[in-house]
Amino acid sequence: KAGVTQTPRYLIKTRGQQVTLSCSPISGHRSVSWYQQTPGQGLQFLFEYFSETQRNKGNFPGRFSGRQFSNSRSEMNVSTLELGDSALYLCASSLVLADNEQFFGPGTRLTVL
Amino acid sequence: AQSVTQPDIHITVSEGASLELRCNYSYGATPYLFWYVQSPGQGLQLLLKYFSGDTLVQGIKGFEAEFKRSQSSFNLRKPSVHWSDAAEYFCAVVPQTGANNLFFGTGTRLTVIP
Repeated sequence: KAGVTQTPRYLIKTRGQQVTLSCSPISGHRSVSWYQQTPGQGLQFLFEYFSETQRNKGNFPGRFSGRQFSNSRSEMNVSTLELGDSALYLCASSLVLADNEQFFGPGTRLTVL
Repeated sequence: AQSVTQPDIHITVSEGASLELRCNYSYGATPYLFWYVQSPGQGLQLLLKYFSGDTLVQGIKGFEAEFKRSQSSFNLRKPSVHWSDAAEYFCAVVPQTGANNLFFGTGTRLTVIP
């Protein structure tokens, strides 16, 4: 069974631009969560989607948004990029609501110049 | 305040030596507990998890962890470390609130000396 895939793996943007990251969960997984990893703040939860609905949201500004499609694939968008948005963005999928075991993708490394 | 604490930022051990990585949590009720490992440039891989039951949990790659309610701890152990175990290790919790989001500790970087 294929794992969680994230595209692109690497991305370079400049301040003020926007970016869209994509995540394809493991087949059959309906919950997708996003995390930001930085050296200063560590791993922080961004949001979780289940059945195309945002179920939980972390403490991030409104510039960070996401969505989930009917096939469970998810995208996250960051508008008006800031230097501090440079990070590794990790996507994780899980099977059902009651199963809290999450499987992580390799991440997208975003660099904002 | 709710938190996950990994007091050791960096640990160095010799290959073949035993290992213990510490993790303490501060939540009202016992959360679900996890240990993840991250190799450079990689995502996170689940080593083991504790939901309930036996407090000694076996995981992959020869790792185990022991849940101690009285100490709010979930320490990770391995009896004999291999050079390939060099990585960053994260303790994480999911509070039993119905939400599905992980809260991570700051991580412990493990260096293995040949």
